[in-house]
Amino acid sequence: GENVEQHPSTLSVQEGDSAVIKCTYSDSASNYFPWYKQELGKRPQLIIDIRSNVGEKKDQRIAVTLNKTAKHFSLHITETQPEDSAVYFCAAPEAGGSYIPTFGRGTSLIVHP
Amino acid sequence: NAGVTQTPKFRVLKTGQSMTLLCAQDMNHEYMYWYRQDPGMGLRLIHYSVGEGTTAKGEVPDGYNVSRLKKQNFLLGLESAAPSQTSVYFCASSLTGWTVSGALHFGNGTRLTVT
Repeated sequence: GENVEQHPSTLSVQEGDSAVIKCTYSDSASNYFPWYKQELGKRPQLIIDIRSNVGEKKDQRIAVTLNKTAKHFSLHITETQPEDSAVYFCAAPEAGGSYIPTFGRGTSLIVHP
Repeated sequence: NAGVTQTPKFRVLKTGQSMTLLCAQDMNHEYMYWYRQDPGMGLRLIHYSVGEGTTAKGEVPDGYNVSRLKKQNFLLGLESAAPSQTSVYFCASSLTGWTVSGALHFGNGTRLTVT
């Protein structure tokens, strides 16, 4: 949706490199920021999320950082592996406080061996 | 737990035909959602429900209807299918409002083709 902008739309990296995907949202009242991974032909699955009372959260090779002032949050993947190749989606609430999730258009990450 | 189950997995319809997609969840979740996914467009919300007996429109509701007669089931209906409704449809559920309980749990999707 237009309330949630995700960049880049495609990202190609070499195995072992880092990847960063950024999501910008419009509702300043947002307090929950998730990232989903969708492998080809599969369903989206939550991989990491963060709440607005913290600025960063890590889980092994993935991390999410949040900048509430600038209204954006980012997914960081370190030491990328071919199995990280997938489409990644961020989500944020619709503007106006509806608390219904709107997804970004997705980032296709390709990790070359 | 099976999680979120969608039926059917695939379907081909002719223009003007009708069908119902079924979503069932066994996690006692209050919120349920129907999304469609088209190339380059991400996941767009069609309709959602915040509890048994309630439904509401999402971003792209035209041409679809929904019902939530039982807490565990959320049905998506196409009364008169159009080629523009060719898409992959995902059902999802969450325990409560997503900002409180977090994760959406998705079904495996239904690939619908309208000719």
